[in-house]
Amino acid sequence: LAKTTQPISMDSYEGQEVNITCSHNNIATNDYITWYQQFPSQGPRFIIQGYKTKVTNEVASLFIPADRKSSTLSLPRVSLSDTAVYYCLVGGNTNAGKSTFGDGTTLTVKP
Amino acid sequence: NAGVTQTPKFRVLKTGQSMTLLCAQDMNHEYMYWYRQDPGMGLRLIHYSVGEGTTAKGEVPDGYNVSRLKKQNFLLGLESAAPSQTSVYFCASSYEAGGISYEQYFGPGTRLTVT
Repeated sequence: LAKTTQPISMDSYEGQEVNITCSHNNIATNDYITWYQQFPSQGPRFIIQGYKTKVTNEVASLFIPADRKSSTLSLPRVSLSDTAVYYCLVGGNTNAGKSTFGDGTTLTVKP
Repeated sequence: NAGVTQTPKFRVLKTGQSMTLLCAQDMNHEYMYWYRQDPGMGLRLIHYSVGEGTTAKGEVPDGYNVSRLKKQNFLLGLESAAPSQTSVYFCASSYEAGGISYEQYFGPGTRLTVT
């Protein structure tokens, strides 16, 4: 299985930038790195996906080093509504049985 | 466009009873997944499907069966429910285009309690 390791929890304050790192040492050549956000009693929601280098969209950036053994989700200027659990998932549809969600990072944003 | 829907939203079963959870997607996605999420834990893959008529085991398949008779539907069955199957069940769907695997779209979940 494409195991991932993330910090269990992080605290931040409104307006700060938050960086959450995920380790995935046994990533395969055709694996993608995808980050999801989950609020209580809801299904996970897609944030961003990348394969290598840097990807940016309207809500986040994803940094992937050349060896792809880790990735960092960057959330600029967080607000209270960003308090949630964040998961990284390594894999892809063609090897779905080998990818798995870790236990995620609980981000708490304080006023 | 409803996305991914799950039926039912809540269910309470007694040990030994059986039930089927239904997942439906209207996005014409090839790939569909069933996960379970225990309190304070991440999602664990139960079974998945890469297309109509195909299914495969995930990380925790024991005690569950699945069927994908139609592309838009993915059914998860519990033949003889056990208290250890008390969990929240999420269905997801995904697709590929141009050789790229795209993100999974998740349903709202089914909260199952087995007493």
